[in-house]
Amino acid sequence: DQQVKQNSPSLSVQEGRISILNCDYTNSMFDYFLWYKKYPAEGPTFLISISSIKDKNEDGRFTVFLNKSAKHLSLHIVPSQPGDSAVYFCAASVGGSQGNLIFGKGTKLSVKP
Amino acid sequence: NAGVMQNPRHLVRRRGQEARLRCSPMKGHSHVYWYRQLPEEGLKFMVYLQKENIIDESGMPKERFSAEFPKEGPSILRIQQVVRGDSAAYFCASSPPQGMGSPLHFGNGTRLTVT
Repeated sequence: DQQVKQNSPSLSVQEGRISILNCDYTNSMFDYFLWYKKYPAEGPTFLISISSIKDKNEDGRFTVFLNKSAKHLSLHIVPSQPGDSAVYFCAASVGGSQGNLIFGKGTKLSVKP
Repeated sequence: NAGVMQNPRHLVRRRGQEARLRCSPMKGHSHVYWYRQLPEEGLKFMVYLQKENIIDESGMPKERFSAEFPKEGPSILRIQQVVRGDSAAYFCASSPPQGMGSPLHFGNGTRLTVT
C-alpha cells in the first residue's frame, strides 16, 4: 500500500522552461513533506520542504506547493537547467519526524538544452 | 552528500555470507537512519538509532538484520545469511537532534550484490 505516490516515472522539459513534478499522498496524518534530488550512484540530496501549516515554500528556483484538501503537492523548478536532470523523490512524515520518511518511487527529470 | 560517510561503496557477497555496512554520520549529528532502495523503488525506512540506542526499528526485517550505533565508532548494519533478495542500495542518513527543519543528510550508499 503506497502512501506516497509519484505517478509520473519520467518528465522531459526544455531548458529555461518550468518543470512541475507531482506527488500525491493518502495518509492525512502526514504533516511534513520534503523533496530530494538524486543523481546516479549518489545519495539523495535535500532540496526543499514544507510543513502542513503552509501551502507554499520557495527557495530560489524551487517552489513547493501543498494542497491538503487534495492531498497533493508539487515541486516547481523555474527556469529549468540541464544540471537539474536527476531523479526527484517526494517524501512525507508524521509528527514532524524526519526519521521515518515515506518516499515515493521518484520521477526522472530530463532537461534538454 | 558530503559528510555522511558510508563504506564500502560496493559489496559482493555469496548467498549465506554475512554483510556489514558502515556509516559515519556528519560531524555534530547524533542520529542515524538506515534506508534500503530496491531497483525501481523509492527508499524504504529500516531503522533509526541514537548512540547506543535503537529508537525505531519498525522497518527492519524480523530476521537476519540488525543495526547498532555504538558509543565509539560508526553505525553498523549487519545482514546475516544474505539471500539474493537482499541485493539493493543501502543508504545511511544523519541529522542533528530532531525537530522541524532538520532534514536528513544522506550518504552515497552501499550497493550490495548477492550472488
